[in-house]
Amino acid sequence: QQQVKQSPQSLIVQKGGISIINCAYENTAFDYFPWYQQFPGKGPALLIAIRPDVSEKKEGRFTISFNKSAKQFSLHIMDSQPGDSATYFCAASQVTSYGKLTFGQGTILTVHP
Amino acid sequence: NAGVMQNPRHLVRRRGQEARLRCSPMKGHSHVYWYRQLPEEGLKFMVYLQKENIIDESGMPKERFSAEFPKEGPSILRIQQVVRGDSAAYFCASSSSQETQYFGPGTRLLVL
Repeated sequence: QQQVKQSPQSLIVQKGGISIINCAYENTAFDYFPWYQQFPGKGPALLIAIRPDVSEKKEGRFTISFNKSAKQFSLHIMDSQPGDSATYFCAASQVTSYGKLTFGQGTILTVHP
Repeated sequence: NAGVMQNPRHLVRRRGQEARLRCSPMKGHSHVYWYRQLPEEGLKFMVYLQKENIIDESGMPKERFSAEFPKEGPSILRIQQVVRGDSAAYFCASSSSQETQYFGPGTRLLVL
């Protein structure tokens, strides 16, 4: 019940295209959903996060779409750039569990020039 | 404003030795989380600490692993009698509010 399932495992997109990564969760107590970007040899960096009281949040080229009834959320990267090539992780947490994050398995994004 | 600092960045140990990983949280952050990342996998929660207290260690193996966050100084993750299966990247994250967590660069442990 604590799992977060992420897909696809890898994604190849042309420069300027839209990258879409999906996550699904089971635990309805989750109340915070961040996305992290990780480059090789680096730590995860927070990209954008959402709470379940909104259905969409946009920051620059990054948008989170959230579907509470389906227990799914997704990351959309508009106008994808080669510099976006990285591993992306979705995660979820609940305040009553001290905010510890449950991560998806990760998506390796490659953006071709 | 310095981010989360971890050292060493790389650590090589032989089986049976001890590994000590250090984490200095961001200034003003009193919440520290440790996560482990095995190759080609996502991060897995290990332990959550506040100053001088272990709050949640549900993800940490019962044996050989311990963590502390003293009143003064960095948080320490200690692995005793390391085995090859302990080889992984260990990340520390800090937070001011149990919500937004900021990660350090990680310590990559290799057990020979």
